[in-house]
Amino acid sequence: QVTLKESGPGMLQPSKTLSLTCSFSGFSLSTSGMVVSWIRQPSGKSLEWLAAIDWDGDKYYNPSLKSRLTVSKDTSNTQVFLKITSVDTADTATYYCARSPLYQGGFAYWGQGTLVTVSS
Amino acid sequence: DIQMTQSPASLSASLGETVTIECLASEDIYSNLAWYQQKPGKSPQLLIYDASSLQDGVPSRFSGSESGTQYSLEINSLQSEDAATYFCQQHHDYPYTFGAGTKLELK
Repeated sequence: QVTLKESGPGMLQPSKTLSLTCSFSGFSLSTSGMVVSWIRQPSGKSLEWLAAIDWDGDKYYNPSLKSRLTVSKDTSNTQVFLKITSVDTADTATYYCARSPLYQGGFAYWGQGTLVTVSS
Repeated sequence: DIQMTQSPASLSASLGETVTIECLASEDIYSNLAWYQQKPGKSPQLLIYDASSLQDGVPSRFSGSESGTQYSLEINSLQSEDAATYFCQQHHDYPYTFGAGTKLELK
């Protein structure tokens, strides 16, 4: 059974660095073809894909945020991390990690999301 | 980036009716289109992938189709549990992009 769960600080101040963790089970990120993405959603708005990392360690970023994003994974291939630097109120959102089934499009597996509020 | 223009922004329909939601891609995405259903406070649920393939466990009253760069989600025989917001997403090229969403209300 595939499960993903996000964790984060809940609230942080503007200009700080946001650190998020996606912990997952039921698969290994070392499996060929596996990719984990980060997606966010401000309250009442649409979804924005942020970044992804694949089984080979290749990283993909949304160009609109690329200079502020860093995605990484742990050596045991059971966690993925996302850092966003210089946050401001526009970064307030629910952050999800998600995964597609192997060799299939669309995100079939999502975490429950973690709400991050940027406020002074 | 590939832009996904979704319409309508909202619609209201009665139980048992059929509704259609559309997404227009700004360029050819070669059927790499997914549809999601999201209820308040929940994560999105994948309904359709590759434009017309039904995700396991999703009722057959949901269907997807395409015509050129226009993609459609049809929901037949609306049930009360179909009240939700629906999003399209292209999974052809990074950065993946989503439509703005369609809020479906049941009368």
